[in-house]
Amino acid sequence: QSVLTQPPSVSGAPGQRVTISCTGSSSNIGAGYDVHWYQQLPGTAPKLLIYGNSNRPSGVPDRFSGSKSGTSASLAITGLQAEDEADYYCQSYDSSLSGPGVVFGGGTKLTVL
Amino acid sequence: EVQLLESGGGLVQPGGSLRLSCAASGFTFSSYAMSWVRQAPGKGLEWVSAISGSGGSTYYADSVKGRFTISRDNSKNTLYLQMNSLRAEDTAVYYCAKIKDPNIAAAAFDIWGQGTMVTVSS
Repeated sequence: QSVLTQPPSVSGAPGQRVTISCTGSSSNIGAGYDVHWYQQLPGTAPKLLIYGNSNRPSGVPDRFSGSKSGTSASLAITGLQAEDEADYYCQSYDSSLSGPGVVFGGGTKLTVL
Repeated sequence: EVQLLESGGGLVQPGGSLRLSCAASGFTFSSYAMSWVRQAPGKGLEWVSAISGSGGSTYYADSVKGRFTISRDNSKNTLYLQMNSLRAEDTAVYYCAKIKDPNIAAAAFDIWGQGTMVTVSS
């Protein structure tokens, strides 16, 4: 069971907009720690998609955007394309006494219909 | 070109040891913290360990604390993960990743290697 909760799957038709949620708690996202997002295409290593809640690395299309509010964060993808079909992971830091460290969400599989 | 190349994975028996290496190129290795992240077959990402640029500070997930040791040789631009007392649940692809910011608590992993597979089985 992951510290950050993501929906297991989302889907959308080409051209549509989809969002992926990432829900945390007061010891991670709610404590003010940044949220980052990764895209993992089948059989490949993860790739940084969004860092610092809403910043895109060079080369990432502006169809991808991130936001954060309270104890949650979201990744939005507009103008959905077939090549966006992948697994998406959110990541933050957790300061809980039981074991501080970097934490990931369980991942969300995006299917382009 | 910024690149990370892992090696050292393989098949090991439960209770055995293995050392992973990650060769870095294309950036000033000693200026950046580095990390190991693993992914069990068909599962999600799990952070394993991180180390500061100087090597003076190390961090571990509870699941590997006391069994794994992260280290680096800045003269060789290489990151290591010494894994002892391996268990079946350690079976995964192990990725090394460059940390984007000096503050590991705010860390985003901006560069990833291709991964090396570790299988723990008798």
